[in-house]
Amino acid sequence: NAGVTQTPKFQVLKTGQSMTLQCAQDMNHEYMSWYRQDPGMGLRLIHYSVGAGITDQGEVPNGYNVSRSTTEDFPLRLLSAAPSQTSVYFCASSSRGVNEKLFFGSGTQLSVL
Amino acid sequence: DAKTTQPPSMDCAEGRAANLPCNHSTISGNEYVYWYRQIHSQGPQYIIHGLKNNETNEMASLIITEDRKSSTLILPHATLRDTAVYYCIVRVSSNTGKLIFGQGTTLQVKP
Repeated sequence: NAGVTQTPKFQVLKTGQSMTLQCAQDMNHEYMSWYRQDPGMGLRLIHYSVGAGITDQGEVPNGYNVSRSTTEDFPLRLLSAAPSQTSVYFCASSSRGVNEKLFFGSGTQLSVL
Repeated sequence: DAKTTQPPSMDCAEGRAANLPCNHSTISGNEYVYWYRQIHSQGPQYIIHGLKNNETNEMASLIITEDRKSSTLILPHATLRDTAVYYCIVRVSSNTGKLIFGQGTTLQVKP
């Protein structure tokens, strides 16, 4: 059981480039979310989704775009990368219900030069 | 979601119990207390959660005060592998799957 899979693990971009961080889960979870973590800081919510076709903004959505065309996948797009987006990005999923335990991927370390 | 307050860091001797406090004095009646931990930049890992009653699982115990304004996560026999940042999060069952993280407590388990 793979759980939550994020690709790539590492990425270096130049300012202005665009890219997509991939996230897939095989647990049939309805909820998925993206977080970023800057050095020495806690996680901050970027975007989240409660099901296919439904997304919403979190705490720090600017500069990022998401879509949820399937239950399994929740890609995060950087439209025009900036140095301020250098961070570690985590994807998470959880099932519906009172427990709502989140399962996290192993992260993508992104550097924008 | 209610705000939480945790000490920024704590030490614990290996083999001893680690008691991590969390203050959530503005908690509402329908808000749960969740604990996650993050080991050295890995993805956070769920530990335990509770509403009113004390809870125990294979990883830890959660003690919630009667007035629910504070709680304590207990790792009964801390090991070096328990060195991590521990996050206390208070939230309703919001049917969104989102969490708002604070700064957490860095627990250092020492030999």
